Amino acid sequence: AQKITQTQPGMFVQEKEAVTLDCTYDTSDPSYGLFWYKQPSSGEMIFLIYQGSYDQQNATEGRYSLNFQKARKSANLVISASQLGDSAMYFCAMRVEDGSGGYNKLIFGAGTRLAVHP
Amino acid sequence: DAGVIQSPRHEVTEMGQEVTLRCKPISGHDYLFWYRQTMMRGLELLIYFNNNVPIDDSGMPEDRFSAKMPNASFSTLKIQPSEPRDSAVYFCASRAGTANTGELFFGEGSRLTVL
Repeated sequence: AQKITQTQPGMFVQEKEAVTLDCTYDTSDPSYGLFWYKQPSSGEMIFLIYQGSYDQQNATEGRYSLNFQKARKSANLVISASQLGDSAMYFCAMRVEDGSGGYNKLIFGAGTRLAVHP
Repeated sequence: DAGVIQSPRHEVTEMGQEVTLRCKPISGHDYLFWYRQTMMRGLELLIYFNNNVPIDDSGMPEDRFSAKMPNASFSTLKIQPSEPRDSAVYFCASRAGTANTGELFFGEGSRLTVL
C-alpha cells in the first residue's frame, strides 16, 4: 500500500539552528514524486519543495533542502537557520497513481508541528 | 496572479442543512482537487477533476457529498444533509497539467462547523 509516515508529532528548535523533519514513504511504483508543504496557524497550505524519484541530486529551495535516500525510502526536510516564522505544521506528501490510472493524487502524512524558540 | 479562491471562509450550520462550498482555481490550471482536513484523519482527497471532468471520486465519503465543475473557473462541493461529523476544513487546490513537478496550489480553506 502507498503510505507516507511522519513519526514526529512535534519538534522544537532554537532560532538560527538547523532542524530535520522526518518522512518515510512506501510505494512499489518506480516513478513517484515527493513534496513538502507548510501549514502556518493561519491555515493555508504552502508548497516548499519537490523531489522526483529519478532526480539524481537532492532538491534545494533557499533554506529548505530535501535529504532523499531512495534505498531507505526516506525524504527528510532540512530547514537551515530556523526563523520564528518557520513555526508551523509541516506535511510530507507523495504523488501516487489513483483509481482511474492517472498519476495525480497526492497523499499526505500526519504532519509534524515545528516550534522555533527565540 | 490570483491564487485559488474559496468561499465561504467560515460556515456554521445546523445538522440537516445543505452546505455549498465554492472554489475558483488558478486561471489556466486544468486540474482541480477537493481535500478535507480533520484532526482524526488528516488530509484526505475527496475528488479531483481534469478539464472539468471528475476523474477520481473514490474519496467522497457518502452520497450526501457531491461535487461539480460546470466550467474551468468554478467548482462546488455540496453536502446535503450535513451532519456534525462533516465538520472540517475543506481545501480546494489546482495545478497545471503541464507542470513538471505537479505541485498543488491550495486555497485558504473553508472551515465548516455543523452543530
